Amino acid sequence: EAGVAQSPRYKIIEKRQSVAFWCNPISGHATLYWYQQILGQGPKLLIQFQNNGVVDDSQLPKDRFSAERLKGVDSTLKIQPAKLEDSAVYLCASSLVDRRSSEQYFGPGTRLTVT
Amino acid sequence: AQSVTQLDSQVPVFEEAPVELRCNYSSSVSVYLFWYVQYPNQGLQLLLKYLSGSTLVESINGFEAEFNKSQTSFHLRKPSVHISDTAEYFCAVSDNGGATNKLIFGTGTLLAVQP
Repeated sequence: EAGVAQSPRYKIIEKRQSVAFWCNPISGHATLYWYQQILGQGPKLLIQFQNNGVVDDSQLPKDRFSAERLKGVDSTLKIQPAKLEDSAVYLCASSLVDRRSSEQYFGPGTRLTVT
Repeated sequence: AQSVTQLDSQVPVFEEAPVELRCNYSSSVSVYLFWYVQYPNQGLQLLLKYLSGSTLVESINGFEAEFNKSQTSFHLRKPSVHISDTAEYFCAVSDNGGATNKLIFGTGTLLAVQP
């Protein structure tokens, strides 16, 4: 089966610009996650969707980050305006159900560099 | 609050030698524990997980990890490593009493296998 797809793979922008990332989860997976992985750190959950509803967005900087999952399939994550500290790899993951034992499958990530 | 500590940022080892990657967690409730592996330019892949039952869990490629509740550890071991095992390894914990399938990751350990 096809894995989690993300685009673009790399993005370089200047601070104060806007950027958007796209994720297509594994077909049939109800739960979708966006993680931020800063260099030298482990991934940190930004937001979790169950179908098209938000389950957890407690770590999302809502003044500049937004995410949506229309129709409960694809998802986009937007940053507006970007700051230097947003430079990171943004990982999308999906799982079949929202259960603690359910494996999360990760995409290859989008590497963002803010200059 | 839950946290995961991976004390070793990098572990150099010669091919066919044994290796142990350390992981300690802190949590006030029962947890599920995971090891993920990230090969260069790829997304994270689940290596093995502990949910319940036997405290020793194994992967298909020769890695094993043992859940030690008294020491709050979940160290990863392999008796003989290969060049192809070179990757970054992340330990993660999930609160199995929580409301979501949120993973808390450690900072990762780079396993560098040398010929």
